[in-house]
Amino acid sequence: TQLLEQSPQFLSIQEGENLTVYCNSSSVFSSLQWYRQEPGEGPVLLVTVVTGGEVKKLKRLTFQFGDARKDSSLHITAAQPGDTGLYLCAGESLDSSASKIIFGSGTRLSIRP
Amino acid sequence: SQTIHQWPATLVQPVGSPLSLECTVEGTSNPNLYWYRQAAGRGLQLLFYSVGIGQISSEVPQNLSASRPQDRQFILSSKKLLLSDSGFYLCAWSIGTDTQYFGPGTRLTVL
Repeated sequence: TQLLEQSPQFLSIQEGENLTVYCNSSSVFSSLQWYRQEPGEGPVLLVTVVTGGEVKKLKRLTFQFGDARKDSSLHITAAQPGDTGLYLCAGESLDSSASKIIFGSGTRLSIRP
Repeated sequence: SQTIHQWPATLVQPVGSPLSLECTVEGTSNPNLYWYRQAAGRGLQLLFYSVGIGQISSEVPQNLSASRPQDRQFILSSKKLLLSDSGFYLCAWSIGTDTQYFGPGTRLTVL
């Protein structure tokens, strides 16, 4: 069974602090996506990483794909209340024989003003 | 540009009643389509996916079913709802195995 484990499950920090969220697996992925979801809405794609070791930046968010393409991290600098939400990672496994992507269980982030 | 619609946005149904949730995609052809269920504040559980009209794959055994009567229409159904069917249902599309894009979701409450 292919799993994507996200940590931490919950994180509550003060506005202005930095944080890192992790997404780990024993499987190799051809690509990995990060989504942010707000209550009552569908997940919104933030980024897709494809190459091992790739780093992408989206304003204060930095995404990294592990060299072995088994893990990824999301680092937020100077967190803002607007960053609050459920962060989901999802990977397209190289082992997959069907058209589906595996989702992690999510990290719920709360930024206190 | 591509858009994905889901309706209804919210639904409250009694136990034992039927269910029909609809998802439509605009601006693309022959997409892969997916139905997910999400428990409160949790990750996504893939229920069904479809690579073409009339082609449905089920990921988990349950009292739900899916159909794809048209290329860009995906329907989630049940003949008799259970309390455990309550949740947030998300439809998504992709081109091949590329990134999935999600609809706004349907909040289903079974009483």
